[in-house]
Formats: sequence, structure tokens, C-alpha cells
Amino acid sequence: GENVEQHPSTLSVQEGDSAVIKCTYSDSASNYFPWYKQELGKRPQLIIDIRSNVGEKKDQRIAVTLNKTAKHFSLHITETQPEDSAVYFCAQRRNTGFQKLVFGTGTRLLVSP
Amino acid sequence: DAGVIQSPRHEVTEMGQEVTLRCKPISGHNSLFWYRQTMMRGLELLIYFNNNVPIDDSGMPEDRFSAKMPNASFSTLKIQPSEPRDSAVYFCASSLPGPNYEQYFGPGTRLTVT
Repeated sequence: GENVEQHPSTLSVQEGDSAVIKCTYSDSASNYFPWYKQELGKRPQLIIDIRSNVGEKKDQRIAVTLNKTAKHFSLHITETQPEDSAVYFCAQRRNTGFQKLVFGTGTRLLVSP
Repeated sequence: DAGVIQSPRHEVTEMGQEVTLRCKPISGHNSLFWYRQTMMRGLELLIYFNNNVPIDDSGMPEDRFSAKMPNASFSTLKIQPSEPRDSAVYFCASSLPGPNYEQYFGPGTRLTVT
């Protein structure tokens, strides 16, 4: 079935530290795993995504890893900055037809200077 | 490109009133999604359209909610009658056809039902 569990729900780090957010999914047919960032009062925006044929993807300070066997994927932010403070949502989708995105419950990241 | 456009940005209404939220997707995008976001429930997909046809409305909470997409550039989400528990931020998102494309969210409509 469709279900995405996201942990932790809140995460506080000091500026410069790394942050890791993990998601576990149940749908074995999922092939697409995006991460969205939502700043306070703003819309969710895609920051990085990964497809099932790739185990890791990096974009500057952010990276995503995928373990299809274990059905989990993670967001890694290195050298965190105060402007990284936001709510982060993972999501998953089947790579067929018009299947919808199923979102995790979100992680509120607070980066303290 | 102006992105996904939603109106109104804020709506305050009394319980029992009809509420209509509007969305204009990005030109050329033929998949459109309506989401509701609350602290308690997070980000919920209400309904999505492909080529103006509703594909999955299993997330629509009850018969008080209805959505239409009369053409490729316009969609509405209607709540009639509205209730205080409908208070939330409603997002519209659009994407290019097929499963491999990013969903772009609109700025949202903050609905308050008193």
C-alpha cells in the first residue's frame, strides 16, 4: 500500500553541523523519491529528487541516498546554515501512469547560529 | 512564466457559506493537483486531474467538497457548506504529463472558517 514514514519530526542542529532526515516507504513499485522544502508561510519547493536506478545523488550541500532493498531513503544536509531552517517533506511515487505523490509527515529543521 | 496562480490568497468566511478556490496551472502542464495542509494532518492530496479529467478523488474529505477543471488553464475547488474544520492552507500544483516531472506548487490559499 501507500505509506511514507518520516523521522524525526523535529531536528535542531548548530550551524555548520550535518542534518539527516530519513523516510521509509511500503510500496515496492515506487520509483521516484523527491524532497521538498517549505519555508514558513511559503509553498513547498522541490530541492532534490532521486530515481530508483540511482543509489545516491548530490547537489552542493544536499544529498539523497536510496536503499530500495530496505525501502528507505534519506536527505543529508552538510554545513547547515540558518537559511536551511524549514520543514522538509519526503515523497514517493510509482513510475507508471499518472500516479500521485505520497508525502511524508514532514521534519521541522531548526539551524541555530 | 508566472508559475501556478491561486486566488484568493486569503479567505475568511462564516460557517455554512460556500467557498470557491481557484487555480491556474503553468501553461503546458496537463496534470493538476489540489492539496490541503494542516498542522494535524500534514499535506494531503485531495484530487488530481490529468488532461482536465479527474483521475483520483479518493482524498476528497466528503461530499461538501467538489473540484472541476473545465479547461487546461483553470480549476476550482468548492466547499459547500464550509465548516470550521475546513480551515487550512489549500495548495494547487501542476506538472508536465507523465510520472517523471516535478510538481510545482502555487502560493496557496489560507482559508479560515469561523
